[in-house]
Amino acid sequence: SQQGEEDPQALSIQEGENATMNCSYKTSINNLQWYRQNSGRGLVHLILIRSNEREKHSGRLRVTLDTSKKSSSLLITASRAADTASYFCATDGETSGSRLTFGEGTQLTVNP
Amino acid sequence: ETGVTQTPRHLVMGMTNKKSLKCEQHLGHNAMYWYKQSAKKPLELMFVYNFKEQTENNSVPSRFSPECPNSSHLFLHLHTLQPEDSALYLCASGGIYGYTFGSGTRLTVV
Repeated sequence: SQQGEEDPQALSIQEGENATMNCSYKTSINNLQWYRQNSGRGLVHLILIRSNEREKHSGRLRVTLDTSKKSSSLLITASRAADTASYFCATDGETSGSRLTFGEGTQLTVNP
Repeated sequence: ETGVTQTPRHLVMGMTNKKSLKCEQHLGHNAMYWYKQSAKKPLELMFVYNFKEQTENNSVPSRFSPECPNSSHLFLHLHTLQPEDSALYLCASGGIYGYTFGSGTRLTVV
């Protein structure tokens, strides 16, 4: 089964609004990462948060991690049309060795 | 460019053809991966290579044959594919602190 599951599956907002995407996972992790994928392209690494961190910022991105609830959220503030993409969370997991397990993704559409 | 280069970007092949996808990275990563991404489906991990050795094969049909001659190059050899194999094939390298993906090969099987 998927280690990471994103919620919602799709999100449509207006430019300037904030977008929040959530990720839940099942097993213990060492870190959790978020990736972005523009249509038909490869995934791009956005941010990594370690299991002992609760919040991390990078530009307009804010990631939170709640290991007790096995969940993470990605907040994009002041969204732009160029933020339109699919966003995936990925976890390493104690049983997955060196590889990551990706969730199913949230499709974000930012309307101008 | 991300540091992981995939060729070709687009490929159309008949069901009786044989073709190969190529992936190259010079990021010094020891692990490389093939993923399949079909429309409206999650990323599917196909193969994992660590230090040129295959460490994972997720029940991939034998019509997909990977090859890893060295830590920088990864191939996916294709033969007698089916139309349902049409998808975006993504190569990645890296480890638990992050993957770098190529731009993918859009494969269409006719």
